[in-house]
Amino acid sequence: GDSVTQMEGPVTLSEEAFLTINCTYTATGYPSLFWYVQYPGEGLQLLLKATKADDKGSNKGFEATYRKETTSFHLEKGSVQVSDSAVYFCARRNTGGFKTIFGAGTRLFVKA
Amino acid sequence: DVKVTQSSRYLVKRTGEKVFLECVQDMDHENMFWYRQDPGLGLRLIYFSYDVKMKEKGDIPEGYSVSREKKERFSLILESASTNQTSMYLCASSQNRDRGATNEKLFFGSGTQLSVL
Repeated sequence: GDSVTQMEGPVTLSEEAFLTINCTYTATGYPSLFWYVQYPGEGLQLLLKATKADDKGSNKGFEATYRKETTSFHLEKGSVQVSDSAVYFCARRNTGGFKTIFGAGTRLFVKA
Repeated sequence: DVKVTQSSRYLVKRTGEKVFLECVQDMDHENMFWYRQDPGLGLRLIYFSYDVKMKEKGDIPEGYSVSREKKERFSLILESASTNQTSMYLCASSQNRDRGATNEKLFFGSGTQLSVL
């Protein structure tokens, strides 16, 4: 069935380091792809999204490009801050359905 | 500002108890969802509803039921709580009734951490 696979965490970085969190998805249908972020003690909130191949989603310095050829949607940020410490979830939603399928989540710790 | 409110942040129940988790959204959204979140497993869909009194099973519906009597409220019911239902439960909503609207985002509540002893 449909699935999303993320790199395992936790990921620990120093402030101003470059961040990549890998995400791949099963290549069925024409999904929209999302990154959600969960800060401590809160629910998830949408970080960015892309709806078709080669689209780039971006928000708050984070970017991800919908790569159909590699079925990937990797999250990147050029310079992380302590306030970026959170759990990041990659997700997909198919045409013709209501279900959003999430990856396992990747916890990011950023040290000052 | 949009809001999805879950009635309890923390809940402790005993095995065999009937448990109600309540969720209310103030955005007039059509769709509501219940997920559980477990370390290493991410979010798994339990049930969802795309209209009042309508419900569909998600990926892990066993041991759960739901109720949606009013558009703004979606309840998750554990008929007889068991220890393997100890988890973080997240409610979410989304606006669009159109199944083709794939780019629509979910709005989440803050979650209910349920412990079943």
